[in-house]
This record gives sequence, structure tokens and C-alpha cells, in this order.
Amino acid sequence: AQSVTQLGSHVSVSEGALVLLRCNYSSSVPPYLFWYVQYPNQGLQLLLKYTTGATLVKGINGFEAEFKKSETSFHLTKPSAHMSDAAEYFCAVSDQVNTGFQKLVFGTGTRLLVSP
Amino acid sequence: ETGVTQSPTHLIKTRGQQVTLRCSSQSGHNTVSWYQQALGQGPQFIFQYYREEENGRGNFPPRFSGLQFPNYSSELNVNALELDDSALYLCASSRIGGSYNEQFFGPGTRLTVL
Repeated sequence: AQSVTQLGSHVSVSEGALVLLRCNYSSSVPPYLFWYVQYPNQGLQLLLKYTTGATLVKGINGFEAEFKKSETSFHLTKPSAHMSDAAEYFCAVSDQVNTGFQKLVFGTGTRLLVSP
Repeated sequence: ETGVTQSPTHLIKTRGQQVTLRCSSQSGHNTVSWYQQALGQGPQFIFQYYREEENGRGNFPPRFSGLQFPNYSSELNVNALELDDSALYLCASSRIGGSYNEQFFGPGTRLTVL
């Protein structure tokens, strides 16, 4: 069974500081990996994804993540935090299957707080 | 291009009642997945529908059921509501085909069971 562990339910940074949100996964097959952001009272928006190929993936709003198979990690980073980045962030994993069925398994989320 | 829409936005029910939540897929999509997000938790997969049939199911009891219609819209039905069913219910649509089917999420329906 697949699973995702997000270390730290809350992360606080100052505006302009580096953002690092940690995600470790467990999967018996090559995974697809995702980061989603959720603003209050809204649905999920895809930030970035890793499917195959380059292990460093760039997403929207200046975020990027690196797939490290040896560490089973997919940490999310942003060089300089902005006040508008304050939100809940979810890491998710899915099987690489071609049958059409895709189930996302989410972590418990990390709330990013950005102070002026 | 119209995104994923869900209705209603909020809903309050009492224990034992039944509820129906609705989802309209993004244009061009043929698959709908439903997720339950309890307060402070990540979304949990309920089930997925493709070609009007259940295509996969998570660890949810049979009182959670669904439908997909020819226009690819979908309903989630929950019978005999329990207090623990209080959550944000998210619908996601995608298109089966190719090696990866990105799921696009709607804004959710907030269900409160009293």
C-alpha cells in the first residue's frame, strides 16, 4: 500500500525566507508524486508533479521539488516566501498505472505560515 | 474552458438522514473521483467513476454510493449519516488516456452532520 508522510503539521517562515516542506513516500511501484495547495475554503490546486524523467520539477508560483528515489523523498521548496504563499500544502502519491484508474493518496498536510 | 463545479457549497444534515452531493466535470473529462477531507486531515479517496461505472473504491462503507451520468457529471450519495461524515467532500475530474491522468479538483461541498 502507498503512503505519504509530511513532517511538520505547521511551518513558519518570514517573508523572503526559504520555504522547505518535507514529504516522504512509500510505494511498492514507481510512483507519481504531487504537491497540491489549498487556500481556506477552497479546493486543491496542483503546484507541481513528478511522473517520469527529470527529477527536479518546477511548478507554479516559484515552487520546485526534487524526487530522490534513494531517500523516498519529494520535498517542496521555494527560495523566497511571499505572504500569499500562506496556505495548506499536501503531498500525494499515485501508482504509475496505465489502466486508467488513478487513486491519489495524500499526506496529512502542512500549514505554511508567513510572517512579515 | 469550464472547471470542476460542485453543489451545494454548504449543507447541514442530522444524523440518520441521507444526502446527495453533485459534481460537474471539467470540459473534455470522462472520469470523476470523490474524496473526503475531514477537518485537519488530507483528502481520503472514496471512489472513482468511468463510463458510468465504479472504477475503484477506497475504504468506505457501502452507504457511500455514487453515480456518473452520460454527460460525465456525478453524484455522491451518503445514507444513514453519522457525525463522522462531517467533512469537506471534493470532486476531481480527469480524462483517461495516455500514461497520466491529472485530476482537477472542484471547490468542495462542506457537509455538517448534527
